[in-house]
Amino acid sequence: DTAVSQTPKYLVTQMGNDKSIKCEQNLGHDTMYWYKQDSKKFLKIMFSYNNKELIINETVPNRFSPKSPDKAHLNLHINSLELGDSAVYFCASSKDRIGEKLFFGSGTQLSVL
Amino acid sequence: TQLLEQSPQFLSIQEGENLTVYCNSSSVFSSLQWYRQEPGEGPVLLVTVVTGGEVKKLKRLTFQFGDARKDSSLHITAAQPGDTGLYLCAGERGKLIFGQGTELSVKP
Repeated sequence: DTAVSQTPKYLVTQMGNDKSIKCEQNLGHDTMYWYKQDSKKFLKIMFSYNNKELIINETVPNRFSPKSPDKAHLNLHINSLELGDSAVYFCASSKDRIGEKLFFGSGTQLSVL
Repeated sequence: TQLLEQSPQFLSIQEGENLTVYCNSSSVFSSLQWYRQEPGEGPVLLVTVVTGGEVKKLKRLTFQFGDARKDSSLHITAAQPGDTGLYLCAGERGKLIFGQGTELSVKP
């Protein structure tokens, strides 16, 4: 069983559309994250939730809205997609506090045309 | 400006060579992690160093945390094609901050 699974793996869409990426972890972890990896491989944190509560919200356009229905799930909804949103988005989880070992999903490659 | 600077950014070597990747900052970190990422996959943790001056070994990989906890290095001895990948350092300062990565290619 995959520990952190995210869907879809690939997402190709037109500018202006709204899309969602789903993430689930079966590790029993309390903290989940969304990271964005740009074309230069730089990995930057976007959001973090601990037990469904938002604890990190970096300078991210409010077109990006995370939702955590329970501590095993953290979804990312993006409104009005722009060309600059093209990147690989990674979901991750850690046992409890920030700074512990991160378990990453295999990423969602988003291409906005 | 990156809080964590990794160097080199790209490294292409022959099998059997040794190499060192550096991760530098002017800031102090509570701990520092090294990850390896393969194409199409998420990063996987290799090691965490916590104490200044700490050295950890993982087979042919040696990780060191600087005495002042501002920098770290990863040394690979006798590199193999299977070591090919993107190596990322990440420092903890309230959250994990990643360096920009070192893309290593080991040719047979």
